[in-house]
Amino acid sequence: EVQLVQSGAEVTKPGESLKISCKGSGYTFSSYWIAWVRQMPGKGLEWMGIIFPRDSETKYSPSLQGQVTISADKSINTVYLQWSSLKASDTAMYYCARQHRGHDWLDYWGQGTLVTVSS
Amino acid sequence: NFMLTQPHSVSESPGKTVTIPCTGSSGSIASNYVQWYQQRPGSAPTTVIYEDDQSPSGVPDRFSGSIDSSSNSASLTISGLETEDEADYYCQSYDSNNHWVFGGGTKLTVL
Repeated sequence: EVQLVQSGAEVTKPGESLKISCKGSGYTFSSYWIAWVRQMPGKGLEWMGIIFPRDSETKYSPSLQGQVTISADKSINTVYLQWSSLKASDTAMYYCARQHRGHDWLDYWGQGTLVTVSS
Repeated sequence: NFMLTQPHSVSESPGKTVTIPCTGSSGSIASNYVQWYQQRPGSAPTTVIYEDDQSPSGVPDRFSGSIDSSSNSASLTISGLETEDEADYYCQSYDSNNHWVFGGGTKLTVL
């Protein structure tokens, strides 16, 4: 069974760094792109970027380039999303999702990680 | 910047048919595939339509997708509405640089 399991909710302060994770199982992890999608409170879905774990090729949304870093460790089937200096506006639910191989759609989603940034 | 525009909300009665449009801001919406995602309250999204009109296994055939080049729009149609269809629906496609773009989402109320 394909699963994407995300790390737990985080409460942090502005200016702090943070790294959240998404661990895949039940399939050949390195062969599928993994996307990150942001959902701010009460708002819609926003594509942040995508990574191919086999070689860590990464594409970012132009609006978020430089604001976050997406990385992967294929040895432990895990993709990461990290911030070096959080802002209150980073408060959101973050989802990872697997891109179906050969077709550009997201076939499996993680359960989401809620990040709250508040002083 | 390429944008996808959806109505903020739609409502319809159980058993009826509803169509949710998604209009591209520029270019031809037919030049890139459109996907549709369903998000029930408190849950992660799931895909109900991919590549304009394809259904993932397990999605009821009450869900269908289409493209109308004349209005530069994609549409999600749900027939035989059930209360469990009440959710937010998002269309998604790509800009000229192959970056993914989501529509703003449509809240479907089944009343």
